[in-house]
Amino acid sequence: NAGVTQTPKFQVLKTGQSMTLQCAQDMNHNSMYWYRQDPGMGLRLIYYSASEGTTDKGEVPNGYNVSRLNKREFSLRLESAAPSQTSVYFCASISGQASFYEQYFGPGTRLTVT
Amino acid sequence: ILNVEQSPQSLHVQEGDSTNFTCSFPSSNFYALHWYRWETAKSPEALFVMTLNGDEKKKGRISATLNTKEGYSYLYIKGSQPEDSATYLCAFTGGATNKLIFGTGTLLAVQP
Repeated sequence: NAGVTQTPKFQVLKTGQSMTLQCAQDMNHNSMYWYRQDPGMGLRLIYYSASEGTTDKGEVPNGYNVSRLNKREFSLRLESAAPSQTSVYFCASISGQASFYEQYFGPGTRLTVT
Repeated sequence: ILNVEQSPQSLHVQEGDSTNFTCSFPSSNFYALHWYRWETAKSPEALFVMTLNGDEKKKGRISATLNTKEGYSYLYIKGSQPEDSATYLCAFTGGATNKLIFGTGTLLAVQP
């Protein structure tokens, strides 16, 4: 049982390049999330997927797109990377209602855009 | 925009000290309040999920209380140890959307 996995762990992009961050969970969780973590800002929600087939914007969605490929996988795409997207990205999942269940986080992807 | 605030921003204590910090959140449309512990270079790990006004939860030397009417939660650590050094995050969910809004965290450093 690997929990929540993310690839890659590290990535350096040039401004304007595109890339997809991959996230998968093997816990049969319904909801999945993408956050970014910047110094002094805590965790900010980019997008989330409450269930397979649905996605919704979070606090900071601009410049990102997501795909909930199936129940296990939730990918985050940067179409044209900008230096402001330099951050650590965390994927998380939750089995049911956030009223009762905690989130499980992946190990993070450290992205640098030059 | 929902605002979740944590104070203090950082805290330095000596080993053996007891400490506490605060999470403030909107008191309307409350569903749940989460606490997470986040060690440097690791991922956040859940401590508590709290839903009922007056709720008190405990895990070892760490406990938390919840006041949903006034919109705050306290996290207490009794007899801090160096291994308690971490950032402590709270997160609020205010509806059935399953969306969590995180505070910016309290960074705790425990000196041996």
